[in-house]
Amino acid sequence: DAGVIQSPRHEVTEMGQEVTLRCKPISGHNSLFWYRQTMMRGLELLIYFNNNVPIDDSGMPEDRFSAKMPNASFSTLKIQPSEPRDSAVYFCASSLVWSVGRGLSYEQYFGPGTRLTVT
Amino acid sequence: QKEVEQNSGPLSVPEGAIASLNCTYSDRGSQSFFWYRQYSGKSPELIMSIYSNGDKEDGRFTAQLNKASQYVSLLIRDSQPSDSATYLCASGNSGSNYKLTFGKGTLLTVNP
Repeated sequence: DAGVIQSPRHEVTEMGQEVTLRCKPISGHNSLFWYRQTMMRGLELLIYFNNNVPIDDSGMPEDRFSAKMPNASFSTLKIQPSEPRDSAVYFCASSLVWSVGRGLSYEQYFGPGTRLTVT
Repeated sequence: QKEVEQNSGPLSVPEGAIASLNCTYSDRGSQSFFWYRQYSGKSPELIMSIYSNGDKEDGRFTAQLNKASQYVSLLIRDSQPSDSATYLCASGNSGSNYKLTFGKGTLLTVNP
């Protein structure tokens, strides 16, 4: 099975430009998460979706950031306009909630990430 | 605010030794715990999950959970240089819509 797929893997853009990051979750997974990772702040959750519906976007840093999940197999994270402080690695992860013993499992699997550099 | 705390390291161990990585969490409602390994320049990779108090073993890895102490650990036996990476601890609470809270990670270096 293919894992989580992200594109592009690297993006270099100039300040003020629009950036769109793409993610295809693992087939059959019902939750999708967008993270940002920097040395200073570590791994930050930006937004997540359950069954294509945005559940919590409180981690989105500003209105310049937006995310969509039009169907179960595709999501985008858009930054418009981009700024140098947006430079980071952006990860998409997906998970499937299922019963294990008397509890639930919701292991997340990460894509390879998009390294964004805004100059 | 829900937090997961890890010693940032670096933790340095000789090849063949046991590496012990520790993590504490603040959310008493957390039910699920995960260890991820992240090599430099790569994405986090799930290596262990644990849901019940006690130990869970998988090959050279053993995860330990103590909910009363809000403590999770990962032991790596017979450490290899290829184990050198950052290890991220994460906790999950189904009441929070299954999102995970990650620690900032511990850098492990295994010296040949």
